[in-house]
Amino acid sequence: QQPVQSPQAVILREGEDAVINCSSSKALYSVHWYRQKHGEAPVFLMILLKGGEQKGHEKISASFNEKKQQSSLYLTASQLSYSGTYFCGPDSGNTPLVFGKGTRLSVIA
Amino acid sequence: DAGVTQSPTHLIKTRGQHVTLRCSPISGHKSVSWYQQVLGQGPQFIFQYYEKEERGRGNFPDRFSARQFPNYSSELNVNALLLGDSALYLCASSLGVTSTGELFFGEGSRLTVL
Repeated sequence: QQPVQSPQAVILREGEDAVINCSSSKALYSVHWYRQKHGEAPVFLMILLKGGEQKGHEKISASFNEKKQQSSLYLTASQLSYSGTYFCGPDSGNTPLVFGKGTRLSVIA
Repeated sequence: DAGVTQSPTHLIKTRGQHVTLRCSPISGHKSVSWYQQVLGQGPQFIFQYYEKEERGRGNFPDRFSARQFPNYSSELNVNALLLGDSALYLCASSLGVTSTGELFFGEGSRLTVL
């Protein structure tokens, strides 16, 4: 089943913070986060694994609550380059990623 | 190193026709996944292949089929095209099927059905 993301869209000024939430109806092993800029392919941001391990290479943090089957992405001191649509992809363990509908983030100067 | 390559990048078909989309994964990647992305929506999972075997199938009709070749490249076939099949078709490769690895997406094949 498709995860639920909130909010659907958010507009920020440079330097402001935002939180994007992702909820799943299934028990999770990991949560993946991707960002897609307009007209481009989705790009990996990070993976959060059960047990607290986190793998990523962007200056973006996230949390993963296994019991609540939720994950949140924290964007602090936003930059213009953060604009795009963010997708979460919960995984129940060796299963293909099913993405949410996305959260559209617009950062303005 | 080359990333995930997809062909064709754009194509226009008419209802009832069939289409074949191609994907070459990153060298060393053994898993290929196909996604359909309609404008304004998230990528919808269609198929995943690993070591030439189907490892997952999304909620798509039998008109959609795929296969993976010995060199790990993949084809997605769609028969009897409908207007609703118009979308961006994304291919993603990964090292394996585990949930600890990232997906690398190609730029996609944009299909328009008239």
